[in-house]
Amino acid sequence: DAMVIQNPRYQVTQFGKPVTLSCSQTLNHNVMYWYQQKSSQAPKLLFHYYDKDFNNEADTPDNFQSRRPNTSFCFLDIRSPGLGDAAMYLCATSRPGPRSQETQYFGPGTRLLVL
Amino acid sequence: KQEVTQIPAALSVPEGENLVLNCSFTDSAIYNLQWFRQDPGKGLTSLLLIQSSQREQTSGRLNASLDKSSGRSTLYIAASQPGDSATYLCAVSGIGGSARQLTFGSGTQLTVLP
Repeated sequence: DAMVIQNPRYQVTQFGKPVTLSCSQTLNHNVMYWYQQKSSQAPKLLFHYYDKDFNNEADTPDNFQSRRPNTSFCFLDIRSPGLGDAAMYLCATSRPGPRSQETQYFGPGTRLLVL
Repeated sequence: KQEVTQIPAALSVPEGENLVLNCSFTDSAIYNLQWFRQDPGKGLTSLLLIQSSQREQTSGRLNASLDKSSGRSTLYIAASQPGDSATYLCAVSGIGGSARQLTFGSGTQLTVLP
């Protein structure tokens, strides 16, 4: 089945130790997104790629970076995780079309714990 | 800046009851509104998408309505079942602001008691 896959599902890191989260998709969608969702809060968009074009949200901290080496894969790098970065990180994809019909397909998420 | 609010934050109902979840948004310039389901510790699953020109969408026991002029949407769940227990989030795709951004509400956590 076509899907969005995130690895690992759970990640424990130490304060200040760089960590990378991975997302892959078999949907062949042009757009890939990274969201941060803290407990009982709304998912917050960090950035997205439209093909190789990177689009950063204005309030995304510089501590968060992303790479998209090809259509299928996208990575989220947190350079120096702080305790406040503990959250669920959601990857999503979409296929551009009429904007009124466009939806996003989400992966299962990676829960990040910072010790 | 678009803001999306969902009330109530949590809801508990007995099995079999019909229920309504509410969503409001501040900017009516939207492409669409979507309802998602999120199970504990999991990602989001799209339930229904209502285009800005539409008034409602139905899928099985779910019916979502959209009143763009008043900035409101409702998700109606008929004959609720314990398997419906999850957090339900609404999200709008806004015409202004960051392209392709979905703005989410914080969700309504639904518990259906057997």
